[in-house]
Amino acid sequence: QKEVEQNSGPLSVPEGAIASLNCTYSDRGSQSFFWYRQYSGKSPELIMSIYSNGDKEDGRFTAQLNKASQYVSLLIRDSQPSDSATYLCAVNRSQGNLIFGKGTKLSVKP
Amino acid sequence: DAGVIQSPRHEVTEMGQEVTLRCKPISGHNSLFWYRQTMMRGLELLIYFNNNVPIDDSGMPEDRFSAKMPNASFSTLKIQPSEPRDSAVYFCASRTGGDQPQHFGDGTRLSIL
Repeated sequence: QKEVEQNSGPLSVPEGAIASLNCTYSDRGSQSFFWYRQYSGKSPELIMSIYSNGDKEDGRFTAQLNKASQYVSLLIRDSQPSDSATYLCAVNRSQGNLIFGKGTKLSVKP
Repeated sequence: DAGVIQSPRHEVTEMGQEVTLRCKPISGHNSLFWYRQTMMRGLELLIYFNNNVPIDDSGMPEDRFSAKMPNASFSTLKIQPSEPRDSAVYFCASRTGGDQPQHFGDGTRLSIL
């Protein structure tokens, strides 16, 4: 089993819809979780951090964490064409370094 | 505030040449990370430092790769000799505490001919 798994996509949603991105991880000792957005040709940019079970909302973004199921998700409400990017899930290993999934490519169609 | 600064932004060189990539972390950050990103393998951790000390270099592909962090504000990643399969985007990132997120530089796009 890979340490951090994401559906590679592409995930295509119409403008204004909710985009749902999912991630599973294998290290039960992980305590911190992050979502990064990466536009083509650019560097990863942090958009959400989550440390506790439940939901965390920031504007149009909601991160959800379920440690028992080893599952993290990111919801993007009212998706915009500018949200089209690759979304990377990152999990802090118990040793202290981040492990990244390979990313889900999101395409928001006008 | 200045973010993570990497140089050069692009590097094109011939196989066998030495390549040196540079990184200046965000001031006050005590952990620094070097990553390599390719389409096939995604974002891979090469090595990371805590307080200038290398902690985990298990991701360094082979002896041709070396990294140093002589002080809190500077790190280098060196490839000698370079090979075409080293072509990738190399990112540097830094963070404060162990559970804090990492912040990335703009990367170095490396092409080995």
